[in-house]
Amino acid sequence: GAVVSQHPSWVICKSGTSVKIECRSLDFQATTMFWYRQFPKQSLMLMATSNEGSKATYEQGVEKDKFLINHASLTLSTLTVTSAHPEDSSFYICSARAGTGTTEAFFGQGTRLTVV
Amino acid sequence: AQSVTQLDSQVPVFEEAPVELRCNYSSSVSVYLFWYVQYPNQGLQLLLKYLSGSTLVKGINGFEAEFNKSQTSFHLRKPSVHISDTAEYFCAVSDIGNEKLTFGTGTRLTIIP
Repeated sequence: GAVVSQHPSWVICKSGTSVKIECRSLDFQATTMFWYRQFPKQSLMLMATSNEGSKATYEQGVEKDKFLINHASLTLSTLTVTSAHPEDSSFYICSARAGTGTTEAFFGQGTRLTVV
Repeated sequence: AQSVTQLDSQVPVFEEAPVELRCNYSSSVSVYLFWYVQYPNQGLQLLLKYLSGSTLVKGINGFEAEFNKSQTSFHLRKPSVHISDTAEYFCAVSDIGNEKLTFGTGTRLTIIP
């Protein structure tokens, strides 16, 4: 199956700093990527949808200026958590689809962010 | 808008016993249905999906699910579980033509030796 690689798998940062998380599709071109946030023992909440070469579409309640998403190529999307605070600590997961009309999304292994 | 309900947050099952994880959905349009498994500190892996055709869908690791349109359900089953099946299971739905997945709250399956 298709592989989506997410990096780093875990990161600890100081409050007020920014953290970048990368999501790469290794063996296919991902026209659409999705970013999710998962709180402990809860489900995945969609944060935003990004299409290559265009601005991301954010879900209601997600701060665009805080969670910057860039999808500059067909194999890479990045999520930058700016001015991180302890409440941003969470598990972030990306997923990617190979194209429009396809039905399966492939998930990265997730990034655990801890802000201290 | 669609929604997914997984009524059981935790399901303990003895090893080699059968298991059913329940999933109900609501949507005003036709949907695709999915089951994903998540192992600790990992991403999600697709177990199986229903797109169209036969309502009984077989997936990986011996799991299967049955789509019941009248009951708007997509329950996941396995006839005999193994210790390695211990994980979190998520049911998800997407409207046909809409790429977004809506997830249920998950069911933690614990296998008792």
